[in-house]
Amino acid sequence: QQPVQSPQAVILREGEDAVINCSSSKALYSVHWYRQKHGEAPVFLMILLKGGEQKGHEKISASFNEKKQQSSLYLTASQLSYSGTYFCGTEEDNDMRFGAGTRLTVKP
Amino acid sequence: NAGVTQTPKFRVLKTGQSMTLLCAQDMNHEYMYWYRQDPGMGLRLIHYSVGEGTTAKGEVPDGYNVSRLKKQNFLLGLESAAPSQTSVYFCASSSLRQGTNSPLHFGNGTRLTVT
Repeated sequence: QQPVQSPQAVILREGEDAVINCSSSKALYSVHWYRQKHGEAPVFLMILLKGGEQKGHEKISASFNEKKQQSSLYLTASQLSYSGTYFCGTEEDNDMRFGAGTRLTVKP
Repeated sequence: NAGVTQTPKFRVLKTGQSMTLLCAQDMNHEYMYWYRQDPGMGLRLIHYSVGEGTTAKGEVPDGYNVSRLKKQNFLLGLESAAPSQTSVYFCASSSLRQGTNSPLHFGNGTRLTVT
């Protein structure tokens, strides 16, 4: 079953913040976050494992609440280069399922 | 440093034709995956493999077959292409089991159009 992402799309001005949410109806082993630019392959951002840890990548961080089966991606002081579609991925058994994506547009 | 290589990059098929997409990885990864990406649908898992000689169905396996005869290669076959299979196909690989710090490495995709 695919995880559910929200919102579907976000438009920001440079320097603004955004939060992208990912939730699942199943217990999660881990949550992955990827970013995809138009016409390119998805690129790995970070993995969050059980334990409610937070991680950071540049000015992008994420949290994982395994009890609520949710993860959130935080983008602070957004830059033009952050534009793209963000996907969360959740592990089920031996496979990896992805959400439908959140399209982020950062404008000057 | 090739990583994950997909061939071909583009293909146009007529309804009913068959074809095979090849995915090759040089990272000695155990796990390999085939996804299709359609607008608004994200990445949907077609089939995957947890090691040489193994395959398993994902979310949308109908109309596709796969084989993993060698650890480094994962083939996706369409026996009788249909317009609904028009999509961008991504292959990915990863090294370790679930719950570990092992990201997916994606190929650059194959854009398939079925007319």
